[in-house]
Amino acid sequence: NAGVTQTPKFQVLKTGQSMTLQCAQDMNHEYMSWYRQDPGMGLRLIHYSVGAGITDQGEVPNGYNVSRSTTEDFPLRLLSAAPSQTSVYFCASSNLAGVDTGELFFGEGSRLTVL
Amino acid sequence: KNQVEQSPQSLIILEGKNCTLQCNYTVSPFSNLRWYKQDTGRGPVSLTIMTFSENTKSNGRYTATLDADTKQSSLHITASQLSDSASYICVVRKDSSYKLIFGSGTRLLVRP
Repeated sequence: NAGVTQTPKFQVLKTGQSMTLQCAQDMNHEYMSWYRQDPGMGLRLIHYSVGAGITDQGEVPNGYNVSRSTTEDFPLRLLSAAPSQTSVYFCASSNLAGVDTGELFFGEGSRLTVL
Repeated sequence: KNQVEQSPQSLIILEGKNCTLQCNYTVSPFSNLRWYKQDTGRGPVSLTIMTFSENTKSNGRYTATLDADTKQSSLHITASQLSDSASYICVVRKDSSYKLIFGSGTRLLVRP
């Protein structure tokens, strides 16, 4: 019953540091995505992937990199952390039919603070 | 501009009372609309989906409506319970696209 697993749940970084948020799913979903959630705003798409080796940018991709070497894993890399990247990050996955209906399965979230 | 607006931003009700949350959208072309529930510190979980041809759909104590002409949806919660305390997020999918547009949510607090 793992579903979508994100690590770490909490992280504090200093400005300029780099780190990777991990996301893994065990549902054999083709589609995986990263969102950030900020107070008073809707979830915003950072990057997404429709299969291994295929990634694309969402609406707020600057400062983030992704890769998809396997179906299961979709890590999000912060290259040089900035205070504006303080947020809660969610990984979400779906099969392609589920994407058509807008149904995503979300992880528990990773709360990142950049000082 | 494709937008999803939710109201109210927050709501406090007493246990056992009913409430209605609103979602207005300007997304075009429209494919479907989904309501999610997000408990504090957790990821969103889907409650129900509304497609263009559907007006009303119930899932237990939750009833969603859709008026595609006025581009409005509502989520009605009947006989609220403490466990209904959460944020409720309206999400609209744009037709022929992977793009999902999220509302900022309504934070509901149910008090005993």
